[in-house]
Amino acid sequence: EVQLVESGGGLVQPGRSLRLSCAASGFTFDDYAMHWVRQAPGKGLEWVSGISWNSGSIGYADSVKGRFTISRDNAKNSLYLQMNSLRAEDTALYYCAKGSSGSGYMFDYWGQGTLVTVSS
Amino acid sequence: EIVMTQSPATLSVSPGERATLSCRASQSVSSNLAWYQQKPGQAPRLLIYGASTRATGIPARFSGSGSGTEFTLTISSLQSEDFAVYYCQQYNNWPPGTFGGGTKVEIK
Repeated sequence: EVQLVESGGGLVQPGRSLRLSCAASGFTFDDYAMHWVRQAPGKGLEWVSGISWNSGSIGYADSVKGRFTISRDNAKNSLYLQMNSLRAEDTALYYCAKGSSGSGYMFDYWGQGTLVTVSS
Repeated sequence: EIVMTQSPATLSVSPGERATLSCRASQSVSSNLAWYQQKPGQAPRLLIYGASTRATGIPARFSGSGSGTEFTLTISSLQSEDFAVYYCQQYNNWPPGTFGGGTKVEIK
C-alpha cells in the first residue's frame, strides 16, 4: 500500500524558514517523480514544485521560485521542501504527491498534508 | 501558462441523477488531462487520467471525455459519497501542471 506521510508544518513568522518532509513507502521511491501541491484555506489546489526520480529535473511555480527548494533522498525514501522567506500567502496545507508511472506530472497518490501557517 | 477554467463553480444534483462537469484549457493540452475528487478534510484522489481512463478502483459511473481544450467529467448516477469538489489538471505543458478552480457537487 502506497503511503505518503508529511511532516514539518507549523506556525512560523513572515520571513522565516521551514522545512517539510515526506516519508514514502509501499512503492519503489526512486522510480518516480515526486511533487508538492498546496491548498490555501478554503481555496483550490496549486502545484508548488516537482522533482524527477534522479533529481535531474526540477520545477517550481513562479510564486515560490527563488524561495523554495525541493530535494529528495532516495536512500531514505524521502522528499523535502525547504521554504525560505515565507510570506502570509504561503499559508496552506502542503501535500506530498507521487507522480504517476505514465506521466510524472500527474498525481496518483497523495499524503494527508501538513499545515503551514505564516503569521506574526 | 495554461489556464484551466471549470464550470459551473457549484452544481446542485439529486442523488441518482447525472452530473456533468466541464473543464476548458486556454490552449490545447491534447489528452493530458486528469480529474481529481476531494472530499472535506481529505486529500484529493485521482479519478481520471488521459482525459478518459479511470484510475485504479474508480467506479464505472465516472467517465471522462474530450481532447484539446474542452473536457467533461460525467457521473452517471450520483451516489451519496460522490458529493465533493472536483478538479481538473493539465499535465501537457510543464511546469506548471495547472489545476482548474474546482466544481463543488452538492446535494440538491
